Amino acid sequence: DIQMTQSPASLSASLGETVTIECRASEDIYNGLAWYQQKPGKSPQLLIYNANSLHTGVPSRFSGSGSGTQYSLKINSLQSEDVASYFCQQYYDYPDTFGAGTKLELK
Amino acid sequence: QVQLQQSGAELVKPGTSVKLSCKASGYTFTSNHMNWIKQTTGQGLEWIGIINPGSGGTSYNVKFKGKATLTVDKSSSTAFMQLSSLTPEDSAVYYCARASDGTYDYWGQGVMVTVSS
Repeated sequence: DIQMTQSPASLSASLGETVTIECRASEDIYNGLAWYQQKPGKSPQLLIYNANSLHTGVPSRFSGSGSGTQYSLKINSLQSEDVASYFCQQYYDYPDTFGAGTKLELK
Repeated sequence: QVQLQQSGAELVKPGTSVKLSCKASGYTFTSNHMNWIKQTTGQGLEWIGIINPGSGGTSYNVKFKGKATLTVDKSSSTAFMQLSSLTPEDSAVYYCARASDGTYDYWGQGVMVTVSS
């Protein structure tokens, strides 16, 4: 299975700040990567697919980048509603695998 | 709008089975595969398997083969997952999620399964 190593595990940032979350795959996943946001008590929501494509309705302050084994999610101008956990998922090869998640809190 | 409505929380005894449901609405049920995902605090998110509602064809994560069985009822646009020989390690929140080009673009609200005597 492809291992997804996500960092940091937790992150504290101020409103308006820019934050970046990283995901490293154990092998090349050829941009087969998605990012999800999960708020407490809710189900995950798709943010980014194909490493850098914004899902319908997702605010443009979210962006994804990367290639090969290294990928990142950037949130510009952090808003209070962005407090959540974030997960990466690779879908290049079965079984799909997920990063362990990053918990984002407000400072 | 696309909605996936999952069945309610389950408290079940070890060694028994449970069947979870996921009723889809707002789109053509057979147009998208359906995934099932397990979430625990310790193991995070784990992909269990996927089913093609049109053909009934399935693919499972090796880890869940023999544990999970995926089926559908096209007449009611409902996907099912049966979990068998339950142990406390099967206690988790289980999600159904619609497949879209490898990603999961819509998720059910999740169902908590608790295995306890």
